[in-house]
Parts: sequence; C-alpha cells; structure tokens
Amino acid sequence: GNSVTQMEGPVTLSEEAFLTINCTYTATGYPSLFWYVQYPGEGLQLLLKATKADDKGSNKGFEATYRKETTSFHLEKGSVQVSDSAVYFCALSEGRYGGSQGNLIFGKGTKLSVKP
Amino acid sequence: NAGVTQTPKFQVLKTGQSMTLQCAQDMNHEYMSWYRQDPGMGLRLIHYSVGAGITDQGEVPNGYNVSRSTTEDFPLRLLSAAPSQTSVYFCASKQGGGQGLWEQFFGPGTRLTVL
Repeated sequence: GNSVTQMEGPVTLSEEAFLTINCTYTATGYPSLFWYVQYPGEGLQLLLKATKADDKGSNKGFEATYRKETTSFHLEKGSVQVSDSAVYFCALSEGRYGGSQGNLIFGKGTKLSVKP
Repeated sequence: NAGVTQTPKFQVLKTGQSMTLQCAQDMNHEYMSWYRQDPGMGLRLIHYSVGAGITDQGEVPNGYNVSRSTTEDFPLRLLSAAPSQTSVYFCASKQGGGQGLWEQFFGPGTRLTVL
C-alpha cells in the first residue's frame, strides 16, 4: 500500500543553519505530495505542495521538489529561524487513477528545534 | 470565517463511557475527515465523508462511528471508550475530492484521555 517515510527526529539546529528533512514515498498512480507544519498546541497547516513530477513547492523560504525517479520530496530551508521550531509532516494524497478521494497519508513527523 | 472548529479542546473519560467529538466548518467544503495523532505514529485517518449522507472508513475506524447529516458538521462518536483511544483527534476539511486539487484545513484538535 501507499506509505510515507521521513527522517526520525528530533532535529536541533542553530539559527541560520541549513535544514534538510528527508521524505520518501511509496505509491501507485500519481500522488500529490505535501509538507504540513504543526506549531506547538495547534493543528496542522499546509506549508507547501507539489502535484506532479519535477514540480517545486515553496513557501516561507522552504522548498521541496517532487522527484519521481527517487520517490522523494525532501524539505529544505537555507537559513532557519527560532520561529521555525515545529513538527513537520510529509504526506501524500492518493493518486487520481486509484479512484480515491484524495485522502492524506502522513509520515510520522519530524520535530525541529532551532536554538538562538 | 472561523474555518474548522472542534469541541471540546480537552476531555477525560472513563473506560466504557461514550462521547461525541464535534467538528464544524463554515467554508461549505464537501469533504471532511477525522484523524488521530499518536506519538511516533503521525496522523492516521479514522473516517471521512465526501458529502452529506456519505461516509467511509479510513485506516483505523474500529471503535468509532460517524454520520454527516449536514455539510457543516461531522461528529465523531466513541460508543464505549477504551484506553487505546487516548489520542489527539483532528478534524479536517477540503473543498472536494480528488488528489492534490484542494488544500485540506485542520481544526485545532481535541485531546482525549481514557482512564
């Protein structure tokens, strides 16, 4: 079945460091890929998405590129801030040809802490 | 717009008690869903609905019931709570079905503890 695997956390970085959170997926069909962010005590918010191979999603300085050849969607940011401290979830939306309703399948989440 | 609202924010139950978690959205979204979030497990889909009167099971439906009588509301019922249902529950909605077309909006969550 479809699944998402993302790097285990927690990840602790100093402010202005480079961030990479790895995400790989297994899916049939042509899934869309997402990164969601959860700030402490809150629900999830969409950070960025990509709907087809080679698409790059970007938002708030974060980027991720949909790589079909490596089944990956790694999240990157060039210079993290303390305010980026949160839990990040990689997710896929099951493919169109599977006849699904676009239900999301999530990875286990990666907790990021950024120190000043 | 209030977006997706959930009540209560916190709840403690005893084993065997029943309760309903409420979820409402004011965005006229067709699709609504319930997830549970457990440490180290990410979010897992419990039930979802693609419109009033239509519901279906997700990955972990056992022990939960849902109904969708209106577009706005999608309550989640625990008929006989068990400690294994201790979790944080999130409701979410999006405009329609189909993969990748619509952003899914999440509520703030309900933290449930079953003793």
